[in-house]
Amino acid sequence: DAGITQSPRHKVTETGTPVTLRCHQTENHRYMYWYRQDPGHGLRLIHYSYGVKDTDKGEVSDGYSVSRSKTEDFLLTLESATSSQTSVYFCAIRTRETEAFFGQGTRLTVV
Amino acid sequence: TQLLEQSPQFLSIQEGENLTVYCNSSSVFSSLQWYRQEPGEGPVLLVTVVTGGEVKKLKRLTFQFGDARKDSSLHITAAQPGDTGLYLCAGTNGQNFVFGPGTRLSVLP
Repeated sequence: DAGITQSPRHKVTETGTPVTLRCHQTENHRYMYWYRQDPGHGLRLIHYSYGVKDTDKGEVSDGYSVSRSKTEDFLLTLESATSSQTSVYFCAIRTRETEAFFGQGTRLTVV
Repeated sequence: TQLLEQSPQFLSIQEGENLTVYCNSSSVFSSLQWYRQEPGEGPVLLVTVVTGGEVKKLKRLTFQFGDARKDSSLHITAAQPGDTGLYLCAGTNGQNFVFGPGTRLSVLP
């Protein structure tokens, strides 16, 4: 079974501070995704990666950057956190052509 | 931009009742998936439908893909409290998954 670990699981940070969320997979799946989930909006794609150092923007990428220096790790960075970035963040991997496997999420609160 | 709409947004029913939730789009998708998400967890895949008109059954859950591959439905027979959760549909087309906003189902004992 595919394994994904997101860290941290919970974080409270102050407005204007940088924050990095980590997603680690135990297999070598090519595609990795970062989503945010907010009430009434479902899951919205922030950024995705299709290989080491290969990333692209999703529909809500403003204020976020990503990096993928190794196949197993996909990092999401909020350069200067804002209250509008308070959300639950999910990492996912594409285990098959038509299947996304999700991590347990990171609850981020920006105060 | 491909969008998926789901209805109803919320549904509260008694144990034993039947229900259907819907997923609609103006775009054609190569496949649609249904996920269930419980509080504090990530979504978990229930099923993928690929062929227009396809019907798949998973115990008390029946999934159907529209003939034009733009819509899908999920029917639950004799709902149980364990079916409570957020049901999300998602479409794949190319590299990404597009998710609907979800239907939040509550099954009361």
